[in-house]
Amino acid sequence: AQSVTQPDIHITVSEGASLELRCNYSYGATPYLFWYVQSPGQGLQLLLKYFSGDTLVQGIKGFEAEFKRSQSSFNLRKPSVHWSDAAEYFCAVVGGNTNAGKSTFGDGTTLTVKP
Amino acid sequence: GAGVSQTPSNKVTEKGKYVELRCDPISGHTALYWYRQSLGQGPEFLIYFQGTGAADDSGLPNDRFFAVRPEGSVSTLKIQRTERGDSAVYLCASSRTVNTEAFFGQGTRLTVV
Repeated sequence: AQSVTQPDIHITVSEGASLELRCNYSYGATPYLFWYVQSPGQGLQLLLKYFSGDTLVQGIKGFEAEFKRSQSSFNLRKPSVHWSDAAEYFCAVVGGNTNAGKSTFGDGTTLTVKP
Repeated sequence: GAGVSQTPSNKVTEKGKYVELRCDPISGHTALYWYRQSLGQGPEFLIYFQGTGAADDSGLPNDRFFAVRPEGSVSTLKIQRTERGDSAVYLCASSRTVNTEAFFGQGTRLTVV
């Protein structure tokens, strides 16, 4: 069965500082991996996705993530955080043929940005 | 509309009542998903449709939960004999095909009192 772990429940960074949110997954084959952001009262918005190819993927709002098969990780990064980035971030994995269309989400990391 | 639309945005119901939650996917999207998000947790898969048929309903917690998508577009999630533990945000998403980018609605917050 596929699973996702986001080890950090809550992270606080200063505005302008760099950010890395951790995500570890468990899945036998090559997964499809996603990062979503959820602001209060808003739906989930896709930041970026990895299906195949280049392991460093660029997303919206200046975010990027790197797929590392050897570490079963897909960490999200941003070089300089803005106050508007404060939100909850979810990593998700979708399996291949056996679990098509069935995303498994982590429990999220809440990001607080200090002025 | 351009995005996934869910109605109502909020629903308060009494324990034991029946509720229906509606999802209007993005036009042309064949795959539709329902998730449930409890406080402090990530979304949890309930069911997904490919066209009109439920391709995988293994996430439905029990037989009080049922979902339909009769014409391959709008979907309704139905909950019978609601319990306080059913209180959560119910999210709907759609995608062009399975395993492509899913677009989420803003959810229906269900509160069972």
